[in-house]
Amino acid sequence: DIVMTQSPDSLAVSLGERATINCKSSQSVLYSSNNKNYLAWYQQKPGQPPKLLIYWASTRESGVPDRFSGSGSGTDFTLTISSLQAEDVAVYYCQQYYSTFTFGPGTKVDIK
Amino acid sequence: QVQLQESGPGLVKPSETLSLTCTVSGYSISSGYYWGWIRQPPGKGLEWIGSIYHSGSTYYNPSLKSRVTISVDTSKNQFSLKLSSVTAADTAVYYCARGPGWLLLWGQGTLVTVSS
Repeated sequence: DIVMTQSPDSLAVSLGERATINCKSSQSVLYSSNNKNYLAWYQQKPGQPPKLLIYWASTRESGVPDRFSGSGSGTDFTLTISSLQAEDVAVYYCQQYYSTFTFGPGTKVDIK
Repeated sequence: QVQLQESGPGLVKPSETLSLTCTVSGYSISSGYYWGWIRQPPGKGLEWIGSIYHSGSTYYNPSLKSRVTISVDTSKNQFSLKLSSVTAADTAVYYCARGPGWLLLWGQGTLVTVSS
């Protein structure tokens, strides 16, 4: 099984500042035949289902603001919110789909 | 517009079987994609339970595999979850979702409480 870890568990960022969330997989989720990383990011607000932000590690889903970006390859990935807005307060999860599915434990983002 | 809606009992007794159904509208399950179940205990993170491919192939979380069955009813455009021998640890919001791997479409979720 692929185990996903995230850091930090929580962070508080001032409005307009950058927020960075890290995700690490216990084995590579890079599929060599197509050079794609099988990694997605989600945002979840209280009382709502998760919302897909990014897939293939760096492809932004349609309608997602461009302040959200994903990067990384292999086992180490990052979700960056370039300029935090009030509506970005949420819990963020990474998920691998290289071998069935596994979610990371989540990172809570708050306003400082 | 594709929509997913979970349904089933909100209260299940310990040792019994939890049964939920996800009704899909706006898309035929048999046309493609993975259809899955994910749960979230109160105040905790997301746990993938299992998925079924449109062909009928199933994939389960190894930690739950012995208790889980996911099936599809194409005539009703529904897929279902059965989780046996439940305990309080199975209390959670249960979501159904669709995806090719990443999960774009989710139901709103249904809270299932395991209690006598």
